[in-house]
Amino acid sequence: DTGVSQDPRHKITKRGQNVTFRCDPISEHNRLYWYRQTLGQGPEFLTYFQNEAQLEKSRLLSDRFSAERPKGSFSTLEIQRTEQGDSAMYLCASSFSSFSYNEQFFGPGTRLTVL
Amino acid sequence: AQRVTQPEKLLSVFKGAPVELKCNYSYSGSPELFWYVQYSRQRLQLLLRHISRESIKGFTADLNKGETSFHLKKPFAQEEDSAMYYCALSGLAGGTSYGKLTFGQGTILTVHP
Repeated sequence: DTGVSQDPRHKITKRGQNVTFRCDPISEHNRLYWYRQTLGQGPEFLTYFQNEAQLEKSRLLSDRFSAERPKGSFSTLEIQRTEQGDSAMYLCASSFSSFSYNEQFFGPGTRLTVL
Repeated sequence: AQRVTQPEKLLSVFKGAPVELKCNYSYSGSPELFWYVQYSRQRLQLLLRHISRESIKGFTADLNKGETSFHLKKPFAQEEDSAMYYCALSGLAGGTSYGKLTFGQGTILTVHP
């Protein structure tokens, strides 16, 4: 296991198209997070899962965005009818929930460009 | 609501000089504070967390609840410390973290030879 992986690393699409990103967490981690990062900003929380349950969604996550983690392992993030404002780096992170702290391990990100 | 503020977008120091990266937070509950670092062409990684009270790569950070600050310090900066640094906050309840991280905007640290 080499850490959190994301696919694809780069995606260029035209406005109005749908895109889907995949995240594979560290195998024993039960929590998986999605963040979005735009230029000059820190990552912003989008949503997270504990096992297959989606526990929280940010108000940033419009109804064009949907995330799944069907078997509690990998996750997908889909954006429908992409807009230019969706252009950003999409980061995935995973962690093992514990009673003491919550260290999140990040993937390399998927950079989305919407033309 | 959770909020993290890093007032400096850019910070430049010379090798061997002390460095302090500022972080202030706003949170009504019990916070869990972190510093994450991103070196050039690498992924975001945890540098240190306040709960462990440890020193990593010569960096330390103390949580000051009175001033709601969690500044990152290093007495003698090295060129390899040049990176983007993010302060982040997560909520705590009964010792179990809420999970999501709220990040500051980040500070780019450049250490000149």
